[in-house]
Amino acid sequence: LAKTTQPISMDSYEGQEVNITCSHNNIATNDYITWYQQFPSQGPRFIIQGYKTKVTNEVASLFIPADRKSSTLSLPRVSLSDTAVYYCLVGGYQKVTFGTGTKLQVIP
Amino acid sequence: SQTIHQWPATLVQPVGSPLSLECTVEGTSNPNLYWYRQAAGRGLQLLFYSVGIGQISSEVPQNLSASRPQDRQFILSSKKLLLSDSGFYLCAWSVLGTERNQPQHFGDGTRLSIL
Repeated sequence: LAKTTQPISMDSYEGQEVNITCSHNNIATNDYITWYQQFPSQGPRFIIQGYKTKVTNEVASLFIPADRKSSTLSLPRVSLSDTAVYYCLVGGYQKVTFGTGTKLQVIP
Repeated sequence: SQTIHQWPATLVQPVGSPLSLECTVEGTSNPNLYWYRQAAGRGLQLLFYSVGIGQISSEVPQNLSASRPQDRQFILSSKKLLLSDSGFYLCAWSVLGTERNQPQHFGDGTRLSIL
């Protein structure tokens, strides 16, 4: 399974765009990249998933370069409620490996 | 719609006591099922996953075991709890698929404290 590397923590002011980058140098051909959000004492929540180029939904955008060895989660205009841990996952169809995640702190 | 239930939400157990945590999924059939543990301030550690009734794969050797007696029921057990078993236990499910990595959907977790 591909191992992922993310920054341990990030701070951002409210209203700013936040970009969290994840490295996954050993990603396999059939692996997708999935991002989750976790609030304290809750289970992770699926945010977005992609295979290549760009994916956008109502919550975030995911940018994946052609070599797929990294990906960037983009959160537009964050609010205090976006303070959470964000996990980048890469894996096959049965199981994935959670990394350490990035703790995002949104500052008023 | 699909829902996942875990119980209990919190549990305090003495060292050496047995454990049984239950997870059930509704609204889907033949899901992949997962048990994770999260220590305080740490990431998620995959403990077990299952692709079908009676089919359990263990990721980390330990004194925990898992069983899947029914299609949508996943149970995490221990005969004798250790202090190191404390943590936040999460159950998750995903659609059984082979063409793409299916997103996992998590329950609300069980906070287990061992005294």
